[in-house]
Amino acid sequence: GQQVMQIPQYQHVQEGEDFTTYCNSSTTLSNIQWYKQRPGGHPVFLIQLVKSGEVKKQKRLTFQFGEAKKNSSLHITATQTTDVGTYFCRASNYQLIWGAGTKLIIKP
Amino acid sequence: EAGVAQSPRYKIIEKRQSVAFWCNPISGHATLYWYQQILGQGPKLLIQFQNNGVVDDSQLPKDRFSAERLKGVDSTLKIQPAKLEDSAVYLCASSADSGSYNEQFFGPGTRLTVL
Repeated sequence: GQQVMQIPQYQHVQEGEDFTTYCNSSTTLSNIQWYKQRPGGHPVFLIQLVKSGEVKKQKRLTFQFGEAKKNSSLHITATQTTDVGTYFCRASNYQLIWGAGTKLIIKP
Repeated sequence: EAGVAQSPRYKIIEKRQSVAFWCNPISGHATLYWYQQILGQGPKLLIQFQNNGVVDDSQLPKDRFSAERLKGVDSTLKIQPAKLEDSAVYLCASSADSGSYNEQFFGPGTRLTVL
């Protein structure tokens, strides 16, 4: 069946460093959504990407959709403690498939 | 606007027992989803309803899991009998429509522990 690979599984950063998570699909996607799940919480919608090569920004977060619509990335500039959580991509073509998530951990 | 409501928040049962979860979506949302999220993994779609009809239940273990949304509003998910591997958080989500372009709104989830 269709799968979405999300990497890395974890990323440890110092506060102020950057963070990036990637989602890769073997098939072309109609759209991709990104969600954030805080520890003990539920997923919360961040953004949706639809167009080939699309780039969207939300303050320190930058979201990209690949030209072939098979991959996407989320980049956080200068991480803060409020960014802690797990970031999931949710891919769509004929099914809704969620990535396994990338957990952002801020080193003490 | 009230969010997605779920109950109970926590449930502990022994294997082979039965359990039921309830979800009330955001008012006016036609589409309701049930997800299973095992610790450290992404949500896995169990079933998707559009009003009171099933859109996708391809990953629902139908020998033990059942779900209904009889009046097209709230929904129940049942497990009968439960197995140890069913320990997970069960998330309910809703969206305005069934298209994949719609944002999903999640409830707080029900944490199930099967002993």
